[in-house]
Amino acid sequence: QVQLQESGPGLVQPSETLSLTCSVSGGSITSDYYWGWIRQPPGKGLEWIGTIYKTGDSYHIPSLKSRVTISVDTSKNQFSLRLTSVTAADTAVYYCARVEYFYYYYMDVWGKGTTVTVSS
Amino acid sequence: QTVVTQEPSFSVSPGGTVTLTCVLSSGSVSTNYYFSWYQQTPGQAPRTLMYNTNIRSSGVPDRFSGSSLGKKAALTITGAQADDECDYYCAVYMGSGIWVFGGGTKLTVL
Repeated sequence: QVQLQESGPGLVQPSETLSLTCSVSGGSITSDYYWGWIRQPPGKGLEWIGTIYKTGDSYHIPSLKSRVTISVDTSKNQFSLRLTSVTAADTAVYYCARVEYFYYYYMDVWGKGTTVTVSS
Repeated sequence: QTVVTQEPSFSVSPGGTVTLTCVLSSGSVSTNYYFSWYQQTPGQAPRTLMYNTNIRSSGVPDRFSGSSLGKKAALTITGAQADDECDYYCAVYMGSGIWVFGGGTKLTVL
């Protein structure tokens, strides 16, 4: 049974870079799925950030495209999110998810989420 | 930019039936959109309920059902129970690797 676990700093300074990692266990990141990041600001709804495949093929939400980088490390069975020039608006719970992409297009396994606060 | 609209809140009586909707603001009514639904209780990660509009995820009871017509999808809960009280989100795959979530519906069972 595949499990995902987010990790990274819980506090990031404004204008700095947010870096999170999602570790995949119980399965291989090289299997036929995409892997994604979704966030949820306090008291608000879910926002899809982006997804990546084992080959490095990736997609991002257009509004964040200039600040976001998603990468994959198949040797570590992990994928990562990097968001530059953060502001308070980037404060959120960040979830990683496994994404079914080749038939039905949905997130089928979710991590528990990690809270990131942008504050000085 | 595509917006996906859901009712902000809905109320249903225990044992009753409720239908939550998810509507795309743009796109063609003839396009086959991939709608999925997620359930989230406070402080918890989302749980996948439904995908491809009407396929229940593993372990989801059959009192949850889904449908769609063009740019609108619906999630129906038949025989609502107290533990159905939570937030429900729809997501739509727009093509070209892009997903959009709806704003979510807070369901109250009382």
